[in-house]
Amino acid sequence: EADIYQTPRYLVIGTGKKITLECSQTMGHDKMYWYQQDPGMELHLIHYSYGVNSTEKGDLSSESTVSRIRTEHFPLTLESARPSHTSQYLCASKGQANTGELFFGEGSRLTVL
Amino acid sequence: GQQVMQIPQYQHVQEGEDFTTYCNSSTTLSNIQWYKQRPGGHPVFLIQLVKSGEVKKQKRLTFQFGEAKKNSSLHITATQTTDVGTYFCAGGTSYGKLTFGQGTILTVHP
Repeated sequence: EADIYQTPRYLVIGTGKKITLECSQTMGHDKMYWYQQDPGMELHLIHYSYGVNSTEKGDLSSESTVSRIRTEHFPLTLESARPSHTSQYLCASKGQANTGELFFGEGSRLTVL
Repeated sequence: GQQVMQIPQYQHVQEGEDFTTYCNSSTTLSNIQWYKQRPGGHPVFLIQLVKSGEVKKQKRLTFQFGEAKKNSSLHITATQTTDVGTYFCAGGTSYGKLTFGQGTILTVHP
């Protein structure tokens, strides 16, 4: 079982609020990712990090920002949430194994009213 | 940029019937991965294929990677209700980028 945790699992907030979605992994993985997924749809990469102090934007443009100050922690922040940000946000990490397996957290379902 | 297309988008089967989902990439891939996402859950890794023409089996699941390394398929024999979920392929490049397909939502009627 993967050791990657996301909080909160569910969040309902009003427009304009600042939110931070937390993601932590205890596997010592260098590579971490944030994906955005609407119900029944594909996963879109919005941010990734290959190690401490390394962050890059993904394929899908996002108004969110990320930071990687510690290996195990990769939080995602929205400074001013809007209804268009309503979605599920999935955090994932990858180690050095040849399988290339991505380990996903349970996800954070965000609803912006 | 790289695109990964997956068909069909939906598949409804009766329990016991077979199921296949197909994945096609616009570019040659370094590897292909498959994930399963149960309703309300998160994607779970199933397998990675890296060799041209590779075929791997996991019980009732058979995974294939095309000779040109641009397409792949997942076949489930004799589906069960526990197979319900969305199956995603993800194409990987040599520099580590992974692009997910749109997924196939499988419904199994008992």
